[in-house]
Amino acid sequence: KAGVTQTPRYLIKTRGQQVTLSCSPISGHRSVSWYQQTPGQGLQFLFEYFSETQRNKGNFPGRFSGRQFSNSRSEMNVSTLELGDSALYLCASSSSPSSYEQYFGPGTRLTVT
Amino acid sequence: GIQVEQSPPDLILQEGANSTLRCNFSDSVNNLQWFHQNPWGQLINLFYIPSGTKQNGRLSATTVATERYSLLYISSSQTTDSGVYFCAVNAGTYKYIFGTGTRLKVLA
Repeated sequence: KAGVTQTPRYLIKTRGQQVTLSCSPISGHRSVSWYQQTPGQGLQFLFEYFSETQRNKGNFPGRFSGRQFSNSRSEMNVSTLELGDSALYLCASSSSPSSYEQYFGPGTRLTVT
Repeated sequence: GIQVEQSPPDLILQEGANSTLRCNFSDSVNNLQWFHQNPWGQLINLFYIPSGTKQNGRLSATTVATERYSLLYISSSQTTDSGVYFCAVNAGTYKYIFGTGTRLKVLA
């Protein structure tokens, strides 16, 4: 079974631009979560989707948004990029609301200049 | 919210040595996972262990939920064990809270 895939793997953007990251969960998994990892703040929860519905959101500004499609693939968008948005963005999938074991993708490393 | 503390923050071992990593959490949790983050950033699942003891090769883990801690044991460490080990907990709110990690370096 293929693992969680994330695209692109690396991205360089300029302040003020916007970016869209994509995540495809493990086949059959319907829950997708997003995390941001920075050296200063560690791993922080962004949001979680199940069946195209956002079920929980972390403490991030409204510039961070996401969505999930009917095939369970998910995208997250960051608008008006700031230097502090430079981070490793990790996506995780799990099989159902009752199964909280999460499996992570390789991440997208975003650099904002 | 739940606080997750990991110790030690850094650990240097000689190849072949054993080690114990600890994860303390401040409130009752429903779920707990241990991960190994490799140098490329990939988080690799080690154990899903909300309670009890599990073993997988040279690694084992124990969670004592009533006392709010979990331990990860690494025996006969190898250089490939180097990286950062994270504990993450979930209290039924659809999100995991991660500890700050233990950075392990195994020397040949």
